[in-house]
Amino acid sequence: EVQLVESGGGLVKPGGSLRLSCAASGFTFSSFSMMWLRQAPGRGLEWVSFITSDSSHTFYAESLKGRFTISRDNSRNSLFLQINSLRAEDTAVYHCARAPVGSWGQGTMVTVSS
Amino acid sequence: EIVLTQSPGTLSLSPGERAILSCRASQSVTGRYLAWYQQKPGQGPRLLIFAASNRATGIPDRFSGSGSGTDFTLTISRLEPEDFAVYYCQQYGISPPYTFGQGTRLEIK
Repeated sequence: EVQLVESGGGLVKPGGSLRLSCAASGFTFSSFSMMWLRQAPGRGLEWVSFITSDSSHTFYAESLKGRFTISRDNSRNSLFLQINSLRAEDTAVYHCARAPVGSWGQGTMVTVSS
Repeated sequence: EIVLTQSPGTLSLSPGERAILSCRASQSVTGRYLAWYQQKPGQGPRLLIFAASNRATGIPDRFSGSGSGTDFTLTISRLEPEDFAVYYCQQYGISPPYTFGQGTRLEIK
């Protein structure tokens, strides 16, 4: 069974940074592209970023370029999202998922507030 | 970027009835790369349909997807109590960016 477990969220002040992690199991992680998505409270789904299986290519939502960095460690079956210069509008549940479609994790909550 | 518009915003039906949800794209979706997800409160989205009409593993056959180009439909043939949730469509083209519709809330009448 595919399992994706996110961690690393929390309460952060505006301008701060966070590194989110996603632990994958139940499939051959190194064979799949992966992505991050988010959902602000009471809002819809937003695609954030994508990384190929070998990390050779990365993509970001246009509005988030420059502050978000996606990476992975295939030896640890792990996906990461570094978020810098956090803003109130980044407050959301962040999910990892197999790309381009597939199972999602339950998510980790990021709250940006002073 | 392809914009997806879902309709209706809210659909009120009774168990046993048929639900028809629409997803319209601002431009043609390459290769019918259109997926449908179901989301219940406090849970991550669950993949129902991929490539417009293929059911994901473990999805009951009362769920079906159809369409191509710019118009896609998710049909739930006979609603069960556990089907009342929010449904999203997603286009995933050849490469990112990927986009989602704003969702349709399916509620019990």
